[in-house]
Amino acid sequence: RKEVEQDPGPFNVPEGATVAFNCTYSNSASQSFFWYRQDCRKEPKLLMSVYSSGNEDGRFTAQLNRASQYISLLIRDSKLSDSATYLCVVNMKATDSWGKFQFGAGTQVVVTP
Amino acid sequence: NAGVMQNPRHLVRRRGQEARLRCSPMKGHSHVYWYRQLPEEGLKFMVYLQKENIIDESGMPKERFSAEFPKEGPSILRIQQVVRGDSAAYFCASSPRTGDGGTEAFFGQGTRLTVV
Repeated sequence: RKEVEQDPGPFNVPEGATVAFNCTYSNSASQSFFWYRQDCRKEPKLLMSVYSSGNEDGRFTAQLNRASQYISLLIRDSKLSDSATYLCVVNMKATDSWGKFQFGAGTQVVVTP
Repeated sequence: NAGVMQNPRHLVRRRGQEARLRCSPMKGHSHVYWYRQLPEEGLKFMVYLQKENIIDESGMPKERFSAEFPKEGPSILRIQQVVRGDSAAYFCASSPRTGDGGTEAFFGQGTRLTVV
């Protein structure tokens, strides 16, 4: 089983609509969670960190469900510029140092006019 | 504050040659990660280094690949005797990581390696 799993999509979303997708992680010791976006195989860029209480940044809302071991991302009022691959990232603390950032394979979102 | 700098951006090597990829982390960052992205695939973790230490190399192929992060200078990912299957984008990321951790990683623009 992969450590971080995502629905690859693509999610085809009309401009202005809402889209949401999840990411599941297998290691219950995971402690840090992030959403990154990657455009056309350029470098990944941080979209937002995901906090236990859930957090919102403009049109983007991230949620964490530790009991079921998944995080979610919701995009409201989709823009054409939101078209990208969204990467779920988790990290866990090792005994005396932080571990690697583990990436999901990404969820592709295509916003159409 | 300059971001994570990787060079070269593009690298072409013939089969059997060596490839050296360099990564200078953001100022103040002492943790470096290398990832590989094959065409049409996601990012795969290769190695996690701190200054002069390899913390986690569980994603590194057993042969031909090595990485270092010396006390001075950039982190180097070295691939010896390259084969066509090594053609990929190699991304480096850095993180400041403190004792309480939890900070995100920042990525360089990547090195596109093409083996001909």
